[in-house]
Parts: sequence; structure tokens; C-alpha cells
Amino acid sequence: EAQVTQNPRYLITVTGKKLTVTCSQNMNHEYMSWYRQDPGLGLRQIYYSMNVEVTDKGDVPEGYKVSRKEKRNFPLILESPSPNQTSLYFCASSKIPGQRNQPQHFGDGTRLSIL
Amino acid sequence: AQKVTQAQTEISVVEKEDVTLDCVYETRDTTYYLFWYKQPPSGELVFLIRRNSFDEQNEISGRYSWNFQKSTSSFNFTITASQVVDSAVYFCALSEMNTGNQFYFGTGTSLTVIP
Repeated sequence: EAQVTQNPRYLITVTGKKLTVTCSQNMNHEYMSWYRQDPGLGLRQIYYSMNVEVTDKGDVPEGYKVSRKEKRNFPLILESPSPNQTSLYFCASSKIPGQRNQPQHFGDGTRLSIL
Repeated sequence: AQKVTQAQTEISVVEKEDVTLDCVYETRDTTYYLFWYKQPPSGELVFLIRRNSFDEQNEISGRYSWNFQKSTSSFNFTITASQVVDSAVYFCALSEMNTGNQFYFGTGTSLTVIP
């Protein structure tokens, strides 16, 4: 089954404690992306990657890191989480967006609470 | 400036009514892509449609239809004969080729269909 898998689904942690949210896709997609969803703000793109070893900042990259060492994985790293990073996070993947009729497939989301 | 504007924050309709969700976008690129996604109460993001900037044909899929007008930079979404299962948050999104396929989402429209 084609899917994007995020882990963990829920996490409560404390300020300053490094954490990683993993994202893996099994569709051989080149494009992967991280978003955060906050009430009234919709989804905002944090980072995206067009292929292995290629990453770019989205709208809200501050406080986050990513890496793309393998095509299937795109982890999101919070080196020193702060309460303003409490949010619902989505990972997504697709073929290169320019290719016809290629939707983004989203993971089920990770709800992070930073105390 | 917001690249994608969904001015309607919340809409309520009675079942079987038609409803149109507005989306206005802003871009200087000549090549771009527009999307609609649905987020039901369960939280997952479901792809509905993708349209590229060179294809202004309107599209109909069952009870759903989309009206793309470059002259007014709008990509509106109409649900005909709404049903309770249509209750969800709907997001419009834009991807620009010249920014390396960065994605911009609107803030979403929450649709409630009352039985």
C-alpha cells in the first residue's frame, strides 16, 4: 500500500530536549516536504526536498533541521524545541510537482506538544 | 503578503444546498500549479484536484467542480447538493515553478453541512 509514515503520532516533551520526527515513503517519490498546521494559519511549509541531498527552506524554517540522505526518508529535527513549536506536523511526498496529475501524499500527522 | 487567500473562514449550509469555496492566489510566475485538499474531522489531508496555469478548463468530478480564472487569479471550488460527509476543512494551495516548487497553502475554509 502506497503510504507516507510519520512517527511518532503524538509526543509531549520539554523545552530544549532534542527530538526527531521520522518520515518515510514507499512510492519512490523525489519530492518530500514538512508542514506545520496551526489554527487560523493553515499549513505552512517548513522545509522541502527535491531529491537526495537537496533541501530548501520553506516559509517557516527557523528552529528546524532536515536531512535527505536516502530517497525514502526525510526526518524533521528540532535541536532545541520551544513551546512555539507546539503544533500538528505533516510530512508529504510526491513526484516532482511539475509532472502532470501528481498529488502530494500526506502522512497522518504528528501532534507535538512542547512544555 | 498572503499568496493564497481563502476569505471564508467558516461556512454552514443545509444539506442538499450548493456551496462555493473561494480561493484567490497571487503569483508573478507564468508556470504554477493550484490544488485543493480536504481535511475531514479525522485529520488526514485528502487530495482533490491539481490544475496547472496553462489549463484553464473547468473541471467536474461528480458533485465537485472547479472554476479556474487566471484573469481574476481565482480557483473556486463548488460542491453541488452538499452532503453531511462534505463537512471538513478545505485548503487551497499554490506551487510556483520558479521558487523550486515551494508550496503555499491558504488558511482553510471550514465547511459544516447541516442535516
